[in-house]
Amino acid sequence: NAGVTQTPKFQVLKTGQSMTLQCAQDMNHNSMYWYRQDPGMGLRLIYYSASEGTTDKGEVPNGYNVSRLNKREFSLRLESAAPSQTSVYFCASILGQGLIEGYTFGSGTRLTVV
Amino acid sequence: DQQVKQNSPSLSVQEGRISILNCDYTNSMFDYFLWYKKYPAEGPTFLISISSIKDKNEDGRFTVFLNKSAKHLSLHIVPSQPGDSAVYFCAASTSGTYKYIFGTGTRLKVLA
Repeated sequence: NAGVTQTPKFQVLKTGQSMTLQCAQDMNHNSMYWYRQDPGMGLRLIYYSASEGTTDKGEVPNGYNVSRLNKREFSLRLESAAPSQTSVYFCASILGQGLIEGYTFGSGTRLTVV
Repeated sequence: DQQVKQNSPSLSVQEGRISILNCDYTNSMFDYFLWYKKYPAEGPTFLISISSIKDKNEDGRFTVFLNKSAKHLSLHIVPSQPGDSAVYFCAASTSGTYKYIFGTGTRLKVLA
């Protein structure tokens, strides 16, 4: 049981390059999320998908786009990377029928934009 | 505007003693609260939760207390163990919104 799988684990981009971070879950969860973690800032929500076919902005959506490809997969795209997007990115999922059980997180993607 | 605040960036505690981690929130609509633990190079893992209809929830060595009037929650770890050394995040949500807002984290170091 893999849980939430994120690829790649590490990436270095040059300013202006684009890339897509992949996330897949095998728990039949309905809701999926992308967070970024920065020193002193905690975890901030970028985008989320409450159910297949829907996506919504979180706290810090600028510079990102998302695609809920199917129930299992939720990708995050950086169209033109900037140094301010250097961060650790976490994907998470939850069954969605009640929040009290908490998210399951992936192990993260460490992105550096130079 | 930080809706969930953890004002102590770090905390050191002797092994066997109690660790108390604090969290404050500003949004009175929050009705679910969670604590997560995070080790370096890993994703956060769910630790314990509480809903606003309760003021206490226990799970083994971990207890979460909720004071709605003060908009404050705390996590107590008794007894603390070196393996508890990690960053702890509190998170809050409003039912129906499908998303959690996280605090900035507190790094706990348990000294052997």
